[in-house]
Amino acid sequence: DQQVKQNSPSLSVQEGRISILNCDYTNSMFDYFLWYKKYPAEGPTFLISISSIKDKNEDGRFTVFLNKSAKHLSLHIVPSQPGDSAVYFCARGAGNMLTFGGGTRLMVKP
Amino acid sequence: GAGVSQSPSNKVTEKGKDVELRCDPISGHTALYWYRQRLGQGLEFLIYFQGNSAPDKSGLPSDRFSAERTGESVSTLTIQRTQQEDSAVYLCASSSQGFTNEKLFFGSGTQLSVL
Repeated sequence: DQQVKQNSPSLSVQEGRISILNCDYTNSMFDYFLWYKKYPAEGPTFLISISSIKDKNEDGRFTVFLNKSAKHLSLHIVPSQPGDSAVYFCARGAGNMLTFGGGTRLMVKP
Repeated sequence: GAGVSQSPSNKVTEKGKDVELRCDPISGHTALYWYRQRLGQGLEFLIYFQGNSAPDKSGLPSDRFSAERTGESVSTLTIQRTQQEDSAVYLCASSSQGFTNEKLFFGSGTQLSVL
């Protein structure tokens, strides 16, 4: 079973504050984890990734944390901006396939 | 264009009809993927091509679904005898070589509505 779960369907955050998006996964093989962002009527676009040999990767306002013992992945956005409002998908890469979570809709209020 | 192109962007069809969805990947990308997103749900893997071969067809929901790729380029996803539960956004993506840690570049999708 290679499920990837995002248990929060939506999240609302005030502009300037931190957004924390969470993702849980099963299995513990060597994998690669990615976050994608999707605006309405557009395809998902790559945001940030992390290899399972690391526990943190940072790119500007975006940081991904990987807790292998808890099989938990999180994306931190700080400071959040209204343009960050979108659906965020975590994905787990194994072999040639990406398995996506159900997505979390982030709303950043001005 | 430089991105992944999908056509049509919207398709409305009657139950029982066949539909064909097209994907033009980024030039030179050997790996091509089809995903489906039903309303309010996540991305569901359908099929993966490496070149013109499909080593993984495990995600195709039923034998009404088929896909092919020619010239290591264009791919078509065909749904025969469409059903209402086939209504979804069908997304195509490509990557350079199909390695796990490569970014996927997605098209904007085809919104399929089966009446």
